[in-house]
Amino acid sequence: DGGITQSPKYLFRKEGQNVTLSCEQNLNHDAMYWYRQDPGQGLRLIYYSQIVNDFQKGDIAEGYSVSREKKESFPLTVTSAQKNPTAFYLCASSSDLGTSGHNEQFFGPGTRLTVL
Amino acid sequence: GENVEQHPSTLSVQEGDSAVIKCTYSDSASNYFPWYKQELGKRPQLIIDIRSNVGEKKDQRIAVTLNKTAKHFSLHITETQPEDSAVYFCAAIQSGAQKLVFGQGTRLTINP
Repeated sequence: DGGITQSPKYLFRKEGQNVTLSCEQNLNHDAMYWYRQDPGQGLRLIYYSQIVNDFQKGDIAEGYSVSREKKESFPLTVTSAQKNPTAFYLCASSSDLGTSGHNEQFFGPGTRLTVL
Repeated sequence: GENVEQHPSTLSVQEGDSAVIKCTYSDSASNYFPWYKQELGKRPQLIIDIRSNVGEKKDQRIAVTLNKTAKHFSLHITETQPEDSAVYFCAAIQSGAQKLVFGQGTRLTINP
């Protein structure tokens, strides 16, 4: 898990502003994921990407956008359309499933976003 | 799609006792079941996992059991210690699927 970094650790945003959260991995993993976690809640999938230049919406994609221009990078933009963005955001990566059916995910340290 | 239910949502046990967390899944094609531990303010970390071709796996004080017929799997922690206090998440995925499906989490508290 030390191969995944997220920045910044804490982020404050004013209402109406877009912000971008960084996620970088040096594990040579094909797949990358973004989750949102609210206090006392589980992990909700925002977006995921299995390969460069391709990504899919997760369960709560509205108000968020992503890009996957490089294998090691998967930034998340929280737009002004996201009505309640204050949360803990976790990035994760995993190697391609292949034939093993094994999909261990490694998580980054997270970014705590607060809307002022 | 897959749906994973996790129980209980909170669990409090005395230090030294055992703790059991149970998850049920809906898709019989699921074949990989990891468990993650998340300490307060930290990232989730894999603690143990099991594949559908085995019924039980142990790692020191932690074990996971899988019942494919009933479509449920459980995490067992024996001789609990204060550092076991955390939120635990189960998950499931089938071969060829693109994303893990997580349970809602269990907050485990170990009382001294």
